[in-house]
Amino acid sequence: SAVISQKPSRDICQRGTSLTIQCQVDSQVTMMFWYRQQPGQSLTLIATANQGSEATYESGFVIDKFPISRPNLTFSTLTVSNMSPEDSSIYLCSVEASRNKKTQYFGPGTRLLVL
Amino acid sequence: TQLLEQSPQFLSIQEGENLTVYCNSSSVFSSLQWYRQEPGEGPVLLVTVVTGGEVKKLKRLTFQFGDARKDSSLHITAAQPGDTGLYLCAGDSGGSNYKLTFGKGTLLTVNP
Repeated sequence: SAVISQKPSRDICQRGTSLTIQCQVDSQVTMMFWYRQQPGQSLTLIATANQGSEATYESGFVIDKFPISRPNLTFSTLTVSNMSPEDSSIYLCSVEASRNKKTQYFGPGTRLLVL
Repeated sequence: TQLLEQSPQFLSIQEGENLTVYCNSSSVFSSLQWYRQEPGEGPVLLVTVVTGGEVKKLKRLTFQFGDARKDSSLHITAAQPGDTGLYLCAGDSGGSNYKLTFGKGTLLTVNP
């Protein structure tokens, strides 16, 4: 399985500011995913990020609010822009499994609190 | 929109007890996956079930995929405090789309 790390692991931010979350994988993967997990809720897919192309956003999420970069096959960033308290959440990146593409491996998450 | 309903939402039991959690949908999935998420961590894949009627065992955990591939269950025998966590089911709708649909999860607490 892939080993995924995220930075920062947690942060407390002021409203109106932006935070960039990094996701690093120990192997090359085609597809990376960004999820949001609000308190007591399940995982909601924000966008799918393929290397060399623009991210594909799910309904309710827009590039201006959540810009994503995917510069190579092992790295991606998600920026949460112009934050409000409603953005307080856990942000998770995941990657497709290489042998069985029906499964995903997740990073440990970034816990964000917006004041 | 495909939805996965998980029940119960919360479950608190004593060590040694057995339990079953359910994952139900009106939609057919190519596969269903079960993940466990511990506090402060990301979800960790436990198992993937692909074939209708399939049963998979992982030590004290038994996973079943419904015949119609619309539902799944997770049974834990003789639960231990280390089983505590959020159990999530996720459905794959198949094709070239790798998106997963997640249920809201069952938060299990096993008390010593």
